[in-house]
Amino acid sequence: KAGVTQTPRYLIKTRGQQVTLSCSPISGHRSVSWYQQTPGQGLQFLFEYFSETQRNKGNFPGRFSGRQFSNSRSEMNVSTLELGDSALYLCASSLDAGGPTDTQYFGPGTRLTVL
Amino acid sequence: GNSVTQMEGPVTLSEEAFLTINCTYTATGYPSLFWYVQYPGEGLQLLLKATKADDKGSNKGFEATYRKETTSFHLEKGSVQVSDSAVYFCALSDNQAGTALIFGKGTTLSVSS
Repeated sequence: KAGVTQTPRYLIKTRGQQVTLSCSPISGHRSVSWYQQTPGQGLQFLFEYFSETQRNKGNFPGRFSGRQFSNSRSEMNVSTLELGDSALYLCASSLDAGGPTDTQYFGPGTRLTVL
Repeated sequence: GNSVTQMEGPVTLSEEAFLTINCTYTATGYPSLFWYVQYPGEGLQLLLKATKADDKGSNKGFEATYRKETTSFHLEKGSVQVSDSAVYFCALSDNQAGTALIFGKGTTLSVSS
């Protein structure tokens, strides 16, 4: 079974631009979560989608948004990019948003650089 | 709020040495606990997990036991290999409305031959 895939793998943008990242979960998985990884802040939860609905949201500004499609694929969007948005963005999928025992499987990430 | 604290790295060991990476947590309720590993240039891979007190997770020679009385989930391996060099993250999930993970800062392990 194919793992979680993320596109693109690398992205370079300039301040003020916007960006869209894509994530395809493992087949059959219905929950998709997004995380931001930076050297300073570590891994931080952005949001989680289940059945096309945002179920949970981390402490990030409204410039960060996401959505999930009927086939469980997900996109996240960052508008008005800032230098501090440079990070590795990781997507994770799980079979069911069944709570704490569910296991998340991560993709390779998208490396975003903001100049 | 919920949090995870890991020992600071880097941890540098010789091949076949014993490994311990300490992890403690603060959480309301009854969290599940996880260890993830990240190899250079890659995403996170689940190493092991435990979902209730006294559970022991194990995989690839790594072990960790969920200790509720000490709120700990220390990672151990009896004999490390060069291929174990990576960053290790301890995490918890305690969100009844979803599966958000809270991660520790990560511990870099470097194993030399």
